[in-house]
Amino acid sequence: GENVEQHPSTLSVQEGDSAVIKCTYSDSASNYFPWYKQELGKRPQLIIDIRSNVGEKKDQRIAVTLNKTAKHFSLHITETQPEDSAVYFCAADDSFGNEKLTFGTGTRLTIIP
Amino acid sequence: NAGVTQTPKFRILKIGQSMTLQCTQDMNHNYMYWYRQDPGMGLKLIYYSVGAGITDKGEVPNGYNVSRSTTEDFPLRLELAAPSQTSVYFCASSYSVGTSGSIRYNEQFFGPGTRLTVL
Repeated sequence: GENVEQHPSTLSVQEGDSAVIKCTYSDSASNYFPWYKQELGKRPQLIIDIRSNVGEKKDQRIAVTLNKTAKHFSLHITETQPEDSAVYFCAADDSFGNEKLTFGTGTRLTIIP
Repeated sequence: NAGVTQTPKFRILKIGQSMTLQCTQDMNHNYMYWYRQDPGMGLKLIYYSVGAGITDKGEVPNGYNVSRSTTEDFPLRLELAAPSQTSVYFCASSYSVGTSGSIRYNEQFFGPGTRLTVL
């Protein structure tokens, strides 16, 4: 089955700077790569996703890049703000025979004012 | 739409007790999932369902059971609670189309979670 690794596990960034979180996956047939944000004590919520036919996707200050050859994808947050502080999870679909997502272990992002 | 709802929000069980965590979605989603999240950890899949009457094991199914008699409901049953089952449990749902090997996934919507403590 799919294996997703996520780095770093913790990240501290000065307010206004950029943050990058990276994930690698093992199943070359994976096609869907979402990113979820989980604020303290809250439920995970989707912030952006990308499919395998696209190399990059942007939504305001958030962008995701995908390199299918290298089997890795990254989340980029620019002009970070205090409300970006949260735990971020990447995930990849398990395409053949398993209709589910495999999640990374999470990155705790702290924005320093 | 209420989205995905879970009950109860909190529960304390004694070792060996049983309980059912309820999950309901009103978005007519075909896929439903149960995850557990241990403190400071990621999401581990317990069970999932691709439609009414169909369930399958995830990564950590031992000690749990599920059923999916309707599209809306996906209860999770703990038969003999153990301290290792202390965790936050999230139910999620999504609408995905296609068949195995060619599935178009869409956003998973999560419920608010159930915080379970087994003492």
